[in-house]
Amino acid sequence: GAVVSQHPSRVICKSGTSVKIECRSLDFQATTMFWYRQFPKQSLMLMATSNEGSKATYEQGVEKDKFLINHASLTLSTLTVTSAHPEDSSFYICSVPGTGKATNEKLFFGSGTQLSVL
Amino acid sequence: AQKITQTQPGMFVQEKEAVTLDCTYDTSDPSYGLFWYKQPSSGEMIFLIYQGSYDQQNATEGRYSLNFQKARKSANLVISASQLGDSAMYFCAMRYWNRDDKIIFGKGTRLHILP
Repeated sequence: GAVVSQHPSRVICKSGTSVKIECRSLDFQATTMFWYRQFPKQSLMLMATSNEGSKATYEQGVEKDKFLINHASLTLSTLTVTSAHPEDSSFYICSVPGTGKATNEKLFFGSGTQLSVL
Repeated sequence: AQKITQTQPGMFVQEKEAVTLDCTYDTSDPSYGLFWYKQPSSGEMIFLIYQGSYDQQNATEGRYSLNFQKARKSANLVISASQLGDSAMYFCAMRYWNRDDKIIFGKGTRLHILP
C-alpha cells in the first residue's frame, strides 16, 4: 500500500486564490519531507525541505512567501501556493525519506498534485 | 557543485532487448547514495534501485542492475529483457548523506519500448 498520501491529486483554481496541498506519511514518522515541482517533460526540481517543528529550508530562487510550507506534525506537511497565477501551474510532488534498516536509503513519493491555475 | 547528468533525452529499444541508461554525477562528498526512479505517464515515482557510495558490489533488483563505476562517477541503469511496460521516464538521482539528506535529480531519459 501507499507509504505517502498526497491530496488533492488534481486542482483547478482561479488566478489569485490560494491552494493547499497535503502530504501525509502513513507508515512512519517523518521529521523531514521534501517538496518538488515538475514542469511537463522536465525533471523534478527541489523546492524546499520541510522540517517538523521548525521553518522550512527553501532552495535558491523559490519564493518563501509564495510557497508556504507547514510541517506541524511528524506525519503531515502542507504546501500552500498563495495567490496562485497561471505560471504556478505545475505538478507538485512530496516525498518522505525512509527510516529504518530496510528503507533508510529510499525516498518515498506521494502521487503528486497537478495544479492548473486559470 | 553537485549535479546529475543524463545525456540521453530519449531512447527507442526493441522489446526483449537489454537497455542501458546513462548517468554520471559530480560530487566531492565521499558519502552519497545513487538512485534510479521510473515515472510512467501517471506521474507516480517508482523506486527501482539504490547504490551506496561505499557498496562494494553493484546493486541488482530483478531485471534492474546498476553498473556503478565510482572512479568514473557513473551509475548506469541496465534493464534486461525489456518489456512494453518499461516505457516511461527514468530519473537518476543522488542523495547526500552528510548534507541535509536532500536528493537531486537528473533531467531524465524517456524510454520507448517497441513491440
